[in-house]
Amino acid sequence: KAGVTQTPRYLIKTRGQQVTLSCSPISGHRSVSWYQQTPGQGLQFLFEYFSETQRNKGNFPGRFSGRQFSNSRSEMNVSTLELGDSALYLCASSRDGGPGELFFGEGSRLTVL
Amino acid sequence: KQEVTQIPAALSVPEGENLVLNCSFTDSAIYNLQWFRQDPGKGLTSLLLIQSSQREQTSGRLNASLDKSSGRSTLYIAASQPGDSATYLCAATTNAGKSTFGDGTTLTVKP
Repeated sequence: KAGVTQTPRYLIKTRGQQVTLSCSPISGHRSVSWYQQTPGQGLQFLFEYFSETQRNKGNFPGRFSGRQFSNSRSEMNVSTLELGDSALYLCASSRDGGPGELFFGEGSRLTVL
Repeated sequence: KQEVTQIPAALSVPEGENLVLNCSFTDSAIYNLQWFRQDPGKGLTSLLLIQSSQREQTSGRLNASLDKSSGRSTLYIAASQPGDSATYLCAATTNAGKSTFGDGTTLTVKP
């Protein structure tokens, strides 16, 4: 059974650009959540989607957005990139509608120059 | 607001030692608590999940306990090996499905 797949694994952008990251959850999982991990702030929750609806949201500015498709795949978008957006972006999926065990992908490493 | 703290931030032990990693949380109204392992530059690997109604879970050399009333969880690693070297994170999840992570404990097991 395939795990959580995130693409791209690495990317480099410049300030002011935008970026879209993709996450394919484990087959049968309907919840997808996104996290930002930096050395200074640790792992911070961005948002969670379930059945194409945003169910939870963290404390990030509106430049960070996401969506989920009918096949449970999810994308997150960051517009007007800032240097501080450089981070490892992790996606996690879980099976049920309620809080369940989280399974993470390998992450997308974003570097903003 | 839930806060999760992991102590110590770093730990170095010789191979073969038994060790305990600590995780404390401020809001005891959690649905579950999950322990993860993260290798450098990689994603998180789930180790153990403890539901709020459970006291402990075991998997091989790992044992995790949960005491909701005191806001604490511990991860016990028996007979540590160099391959156990990694950062260990705990996450407390609420009924609404929001997870709060600790900053992790970086473990080094010396051969």
